[in-house]
Amino acid sequence: GQNIDQPTEMTATEGAIVQINCTYQTSGFNGLFWYQQHAGEAPTFLSYNVLDGLEEKGRFSSFLSRSKGYSYLLLKELQMKDSASYLCAVSDSNYQLIWGAGTKLIIKP
Amino acid sequence: GAVVSQHPSRVICKSGTSVKIECRSLDFQATTMFWYRQFPKQSLMLMATSNEGSKATYEQGVEKDKFLINHASLTLSTLTVTSAHPEDSSFYICSARASAGFENEQYFGPGTRLTVT
Repeated sequence: GQNIDQPTEMTATEGAIVQINCTYQTSGFNGLFWYQQHAGEAPTFLSYNVLDGLEEKGRFSSFLSRSKGYSYLLLKELQMKDSASYLCAVSDSNYQLIWGAGTKLIIKP
Repeated sequence: GAVVSQHPSRVICKSGTSVKIECRSLDFQATTMFWYRQFPKQSLMLMATSNEGSKATYEQGVEKDKFLINHASLTLSTLTVTSAHPEDSSFYICSARASAGFENEQYFGPGTRLTVT
């Protein structure tokens, strides 16, 4: 079967760094996405990795290891507005997105 | 960037009535559109995949006679919740994927909050 695992909830302090992990087992792989979703809103695209390595985009970075079926999203200099759910999704062999359950990130002052 | 709109953004209806939700790709042609449902504090759940001009493919457990999907053009897909019940109250989100060559690009609409009383 296809499976995406990520922690249910994480807590971090404003100004700090947090890493959200995602492991996956899918039939085929055409890339891994990270989305941010604030309560009551639709997901918004953060990053896409299809090759191994680190992709940096401002305060957010995403890492992928295809051999390990593993990715992480790194958020630096955390701000209160970063409090949201972070969704990991893998594009399978049919280019269909397989979604993780999401990680709720709580930022404390 | 690509924009996907949904209408309405919020709807309240009485039990037993039907509700239609529209999903439009505003600046690109979407050969495939996806309909998701999200209950409070849960992740997105794919309901169905619709390809322009053909019947939608429904995920297991989703009643195709209750959730009617029409993808009549490359820029419009509609989801009709027929004979809605309070348990259908949820956040419905569509996403659209562009034509061949952009298989990995999926753009989300802002969502429609449905409340059935």
